[in-house]
Amino acid sequence: GAGVSQSPSNKVTEKGKDVELRCDPISGHTALYWYRQSLGQGLEFLIYFQGNSAPDKSGLPSDRFSAERTGGSVSTLTIQRTQQEDSAVYLCASSLVRDREQYFGPGTRLTVT
Amino acid sequence: TQLLEQSPQFLSIQEGENLTVYCNSSSVFSSLQWYRQEPGEGPVLLVTVVTGGEVKKLKRLTFQFGDARKDSSLHITAAQPGDTGLYLCAARNSGYSTLTFGKGTMLLVSP
Repeated sequence: GAGVSQSPSNKVTEKGKDVELRCDPISGHTALYWYRQSLGQGLEFLIYFQGNSAPDKSGLPSDRFSAERTGGSVSTLTIQRTQQEDSAVYLCASSLVRDREQYFGPGTRLTVT
Repeated sequence: TQLLEQSPQFLSIQEGENLTVYCNSSSVFSSLQWYRQEPGEGPVLLVTVVTGGEVKKLKRLTFQFGDARKDSSLHITAAQPGDTGLYLCAARNSGYSTLTFGKGTMLLVSP
């Protein structure tokens, strides 16, 4: 079956521009996670959605970052007024329910120039 | 927030050698996971360990969870070039759905 997909695979943007990153989770998975992976920093948790519950936004680094999950499926991570330190690979994962195995997408590599 | 320390950060070995990588913390975990990540892809789960002292084997990979559930190791026997990748450990605290990841060990196995 189809795995987690993310788009675009690569994004180059100028400092100050807004960007939107998309995640299509595995069909039927109720939990969706966003992580950021910077060089030498490992994976950093950003935000977690579980069904219709309020998302856990505790990992978002600033108010420039936001995410939505429409209809319990597709999710969009938005970064406003991008900064160079936002350059990283943004990974999305989904799981059947909370605390179950997370399946990761291939990521979106964001470069802010 | 718990901190996971992985060592070594980078390991370059020849095909056929054995190796061990480590994941340590001062915190107690309810469970710990190991992932492998190849370039351009997301991490893929290898194993989850839950019980202190637990040992799990996956072909040539042996995973061990410390008795106190604060540390873990991954041992690879007779490494092959296909084992090349970034090995990440991730831990979950009881009651939390989010994972905390270590920075990873980059393994390069040369033919």
